Amino acid sequence: ETVLTQSPGILSVSPGERATLSCRASQSFSSSYLAWYQQKPGQAPRLLIYGASSRATGIPDRFSGSGSGTEFTLTISRLEPEDFAVYYCQQYVRLPYSFGQGTKLEIK
Amino acid sequence: QLQLQESGPGLVKPSETLSLTCTVSGGSISSSSHYWGWIRQPPGKGLEWIGSIFYSGSTYYNPSLKSRVTISVDTSKNQFSLRLSSVTAADTAVYYCARASSGFHWATPDAFFDNWGQGTLAAVSS
Repeated sequence: ETVLTQSPGILSVSPGERATLSCRASQSFSSSYLAWYQQKPGQAPRLLIYGASSRATGIPDRFSGSGSGTEFTLTISRLEPEDFAVYYCQQYVRLPYSFGQGTKLEIK
Repeated sequence: QLQLQESGPGLVKPSETLSLTCTVSGGSISSSSHYWGWIRQPPGKGLEWIGSIFYSGSTYYNPSLKSRVTISVDTSKNQFSLRLSSVTAADTAVYYCARASSGFHWATPDAFFDNWGQGTLAAVSS
């Protein structure tokens, strides 16, 4: 099983600043199979990024993804108030498809 | 606009079977480009993939749940369903149904989830 470890667990950043979230995989895989989601309290997850770097429909360009192998990054360039949420990475290269444990992005 | 809606009992007794249905509207479950999946989230915890199904009935399950899970599809009703047997308190979670996309023009179970239902809480308690 491919385990995804996200860091940090909690990230405190001020609005307008940049946030960098990390996702590390226990096994290397093609970047084509890594997604990022945003989840707000009481809501379903929302797809942000797929294929490690492709933005989903309607996602603002302040969200960007990068990485390959075992190290992947989600960057939010200029934080808006609505960006404070929990973020999850997901690998879909091999069964069982798995999610990271999440990074909570909170207002500093 | 594609919409998914979970339905089913909110309370299940230990050792019984949890049954949920996902109704798809605004699109066809018989799409040749997508799988359909179930994901769960225990209260205050992270996400766990349960399994995925193609409209033909082809299924893929999480090995950790495989012995207790059955996912089926009813194309005439544009629905797919989840059955989880022998439930315990550890199965208490919000259960989400979602559309799985590969990013290509063909369907594969190796997919991310681009449309989600709102989720339904299923609690296991006597």
